[in-house]
Amino acid sequence: EDQVTQSPEALRLQEGESSSLNCSYTVSGLRGLFWYRQDPGKGPEFLFTLYSAGEEKEKERLKATLTKKESFLHITAPKPEDSATYLCAVFLQAGTALIFGKGTTLSVSS
Amino acid sequence: DVKVTQSSRYLVKRTGEKVFLECVQDMDHENMFWYRQDPGLGLRLIYFSYDVKMKEKGDIPEGYSVSREKKERFSLILESASTNQTSMYLCASSTTGPETQYFGPGTRLLVL
Repeated sequence: EDQVTQSPEALRLQEGESSSLNCSYTVSGLRGLFWYRQDPGKGPEFLFTLYSAGEEKEKERLKATLTKKESFLHITAPKPEDSATYLCAVFLQAGTALIFGKGTTLSVSS
Repeated sequence: DVKVTQSSRYLVKRTGEKVFLECVQDMDHENMFWYRQDPGLGLRLIYFSYDVKMKEKGDIPEGYSVSREKKERFSLILESASTNQTSMYLCASSTTGPETQYFGPGTRLLVL
């Protein structure tokens, strides 16, 4: 069965304390992996798409990387405004929907 | 700029009522999706559509139906609302190819 697992479920950081969120997947034929950010009570906001192992994407304090079995979202020197739930999702083939993980809830305190 | 809108942010309905949730996208996307999101369960796909008048069941279609008469509009219908349908409902759209889904702001539905 195709599966996406995110860890940890929750992460508390001090402002400036860098860390990584993990998204591991067991799927057949990955065609793309997506990262989203979701603030409480709002819809997910698209961050990155990664298509092949070794690919990296960056946006401000966030960097997403992809290997053949997992993706990492690295957060460098986080600020309180980075607090949110981060979701990853995989795309397998045309004509199917994305498969989402359950998310990691990040809290950054000052 | 990408735009997906949903008809209501908050909705309160009674058990047994028929409920309509509407979603509109202005990006000319072929694909549209309806999810519900519950604590601890993540995003679960209810229905999706790859073209006008086309629909496909997702993981949890029971108790729901959908309608897509125009490319930009995708409606979710709760035929007879029940308390276990209290949830956050999220609509998304994507184009075929990159498949990046763009989400609306969500509708928080409470069924009493």
